[in-house]
Order: sequence, then C-alpha cells, then structure tokens
Amino acid sequence: DQQVKQNSPSLSVQEGRISILNCDYTNSMFDYFLWYKKYPAEGPTFLISISSIKDKNEDGRFTVFLNKSAKHLSLHIVPSQPGDSAVYFCAASAKDSNYQLIWGAGTKLIIKP
Amino acid sequence: NAGVTQTPKFRVLKTGQSMTLLCAQDMNHEYMYWYRQDPGMGLRLIHYSVGEGTTAKGEVPDGYNVSRLKKQNFLLGLESAAPSQTSVYFCACRDGGPSPLHFGNGTRLTVT
Repeated sequence: DQQVKQNSPSLSVQEGRISILNCDYTNSMFDYFLWYKKYPAEGPTFLISISSIKDKNEDGRFTVFLNKSAKHLSLHIVPSQPGDSAVYFCAASAKDSNYQLIWGAGTKLIIKP
Repeated sequence: NAGVTQTPKFRVLKTGQSMTLLCAQDMNHEYMYWYRQDPGMGLRLIHYSVGEGTTAKGEVPDGYNVSRLKKQNFLLGLESAAPSQTSVYFCACRDGGPSPLHFGNGTRLTVT
C-alpha cells in the first residue's frame, strides 16, 4: 500500500523550460511535505517543503504547490538548468506519527541542452 | 562541519559474513535513521532512533540490528549477510518537529 506515489519514473525537459514533477498521496493525516534531490553516488539533499496550512511555497527557481482536496503536490522548476538533472523524491509526514517520512519512489529528471 | 558521515563507502561481503555500518552526525540532532535504497523502490526505513539509548523498527528491519549508545552515532549491523541485502544504505538525522532529514552519502554494499 503505497501512501506516496510518484507515477512518472522519468521526465525529460528542455533546458530553459519549466519542469513539473508530480506526487500523489492517500493519507489525509499528512501535514508536512518535502522534496529531495539526489545525484548519483550522493545522499538525498533537501530542496523545499510545505506545510498543509499553505498551498504554495517558493524558493528561487523552485515552487511547491499543494492541493489538499486532490491529495496532490507538485514541484515546479523554472527555468530548468542542466544541473537540475537528478532523481527527485517527494516525501510526506504527519504530526501523529512524529513526522516519520513516507517516501515516493522518485522521478528521474533529465534536462536536455 | 561534516554533517552526516557514513563509513565505509563501499563493501563487498560473502553470504553469511557480518559487518557494521557506522553513521556519525555533528548536528546534535535527536532523531537518526537508517534507510536502504533499491532501484525503483525509493527509500525504505530499516530502523530509527528518537534519542540516545533508544531504537525502533522501521518498515524493513529483518536481518538488521542497530545501536545508539551515543547521541552522535548510529550503528547498523548485519549479523549474517544475504544477497537480498545488496543495496545502498543511507543514514540520516533530523531535529524534532516537522524538519527535514539530513543524509550521509551512503554505503554501497554488495553481498555475493
């Protein structure tokens, strides 16, 4: 039973365009969501997060949108750069489980020159 | 300020051998975690600790043991390695509340 799903294993985007990565969840108790970026042979690094009291959080080129009614979040990267090529994981957590993260399977983003 | 350091980076074991993976953090965080990452499966939680002297089972604990004798260290042990334990292992730590995890760079383990 996957509580957090990233349905696209990979995504290819032209440099300079917008990259949109999607994530769906099933547990309505989730109230804190995060995106991580992972390069090969490195650990995941934290990118951006959003609390369920918000529907948008922005940090430079990265924006996360949360649609609670649809149980859906997305990460927008604008403009996409070659260094953005990586695997992106979304994760969700809930206060009543002490913010233990539940992870999606990841989406490999490839930025084409 | 190293953050989270994992040793070793790589290891090859024969079936039945034992080993210990070491994780050290200098962030003074209470919570520490061990994950394994396998292709197409994301990160799966093996064991975790909410403070010095405590440990708890995660999603896939079988075949692994852990210890947290000091706040800054979290050890993952394999008593009798199996080929199914071939994976990349990541240690992470975080502060309390809704806070992000900080990861080490992983240990790539192959069991033949």
